[in-house]
Amino acid sequence: DAGITQSPRYKITETGRQVTLMCHQTWSHSYMFWYRQDLGHGLRLIYYSAAADITDKGEVPDGYVVSRSKTENFPLTLESATRSQTSVYFCASSDTNSYNEQFFGPGTRLTVL
Amino acid sequence: QKEVEQNSGPLSVPEGAIASLNCTYSDRVSQSFFWYRQYSGKSPELIMSIYSNGDKEDGRFTAQLNKASQYVSLLIRDSQPSDSATYLCAVILVLNTGFQKLVFGTGTRLLVSP
Repeated sequence: DAGITQSPRYKITETGRQVTLMCHQTWSHSYMFWYRQDLGHGLRLIYYSAAADITDKGEVPDGYVVSRSKTENFPLTLESATRSQTSVYFCASSDTNSYNEQFFGPGTRLTVL
Repeated sequence: QKEVEQNSGPLSVPEGAIASLNCTYSDRVSQSFFWYRQYSGKSPELIMSIYSNGDKEDGRFTAQLNKASQYVSLLIRDSQPSDSATYLCAVILVLNTGFQKLVFGTGTRLLVSP
């Protein structure tokens, strides 16, 4: 039972390139979330999804795009990566009945040069 | 004022002592509160949730909530070196749109020395 997985775990890219971070969960959780974690800012919500084909912006959505065609997958795309998007990205999921209890994936460390 | 505030630490305690971690929040209508533990280089892990005023105990962990003072704390009894981690306080804020946003503090780093 893998739970929630993210790929890649580490990524180095260059400014201006498009990057997609993958998130997959096996629990059939309705809700999925993308956070970024930076020193001094803690975890900040980028985008969230309440169900397949339903997504909405979080606190820091600029420069990011998400999609959710299947319940189990929630990819995050950086359309044109910038150095300020260097961060650790966490995907999380939660069940409808316990929305508040979010389970996190292992994270992706992204470096934009 | 930040929505959720924590002292960044580090909080240093000897093995076997009680570690007390504190968190304040700004939204008076918040109803749900959580403590996550995050080891260095790892993802956050939910360890406690509390919804009502008072204490909630789970093993060596006790969460305390005082909504009047907008204060939530986590006590760790008989602290072990394996408890050394960053502890994140998280609070549900309800936006005008009805969406419930989980807001995290920046975390308190706990160091338990043998």
